[in-house]
Amino acid sequence: QVQLLQWGVGLLKPSETLSLTCAVYGGSFSGYYWSWIRQFPGKGLEWIGEINQSGGTNYNPSLKSRVTISVDTSENQFSLKVRSVTAADTAVYYCARFEGQRLVLDYWGQGTLVTVSS
Amino acid sequence: QSVLTQAPSVSGAPGQRVTISCTGSSSNIGAGYDVHWYQQLPGKAPKLLIYGDTNRPSGVPDRFSGSKSGTSASLAVSGLQGEDEADYYCQSYDSSLSGCVFGGGTKLTVL
Repeated sequence: QVQLLQWGVGLLKPSETLSLTCAVYGGSFSGYYWSWIRQFPGKGLEWIGEINQSGGTNYNPSLKSRVTISVDTSENQFSLKVRSVTAADTAVYYCARFEGQRLVLDYWGQGTLVTVSS
Repeated sequence: QSVLTQAPSVSGAPGQRVTISCTGSSSNIGAGYDVHWYQQLPGKAPKLLIYGDTNRPSGVPDRFSGSKSGTSASLAVSGLQGEDEADYYCQSYDSSLSGCVFGGGTKLTVL
C-alpha cells in the first residue's frame, strides 16, 4: 500500500520561500516521477512539476523560474521550494506519484494549505 | 482558466444516472493521451476514480464508468448515492506543456 505523507510551513509572508517535503511509504521509489500539484481556493488544480529518482525534473513553464524540486533517495523523500511567493501562491499543495506509462497521478498526499499573507 | 473544460455543476436524484464531460484539444485528449478522473470529497485529497479512459482501480464501484471520443471524455455515474456527492476532475497529459493538465472540476450534487 503506497502512502505519501507531506509536511511544511503553512503561513508565509510575501517574498519568502515556500518549502514542503513528501515522504513515500510502501511500493517502489524508482520507476516513477514524483509530482507536486496545487489547488487554488477557487478549486482549480495546477501541475507544478515532477522529479524522478535520478533527479531528472520537469517543471510547469509558468513557474519554472521560481520552483526547485529535489529528491533524497536515501529517505524516499522529495521536496518543493517556491521562491518569492505572493498571495497568488496561496493554495493547498499536494504531492503525488506519477505513473509514466498511463501518465496518471495514482497516489496523493494529504495536502498542505499554504497561505501567503503580510 | 483550466486547460480542460468541465461544466461547473451537475445534479441528479438518488438512483439516477448523470454524466460529466471533459473537453480538451489536439495537444492533450485529441492527441490520444489517456484521460483520468478523480473524486474529491470535501476537505480531502483527490482520489483516482478512473484511469486510462475506462479503467477502475480496485475498490471503485462499477457504477462509475469512463469513455473517450475525439477531444472529449465523459464520466458516468449510475445508481446515484448520497456518498457520490463530491467534486470530480478530469486529467490528461499535454504535449505543449509537457506535463499534466486538469479540468476545472464539476460539483456533483445528489438531490
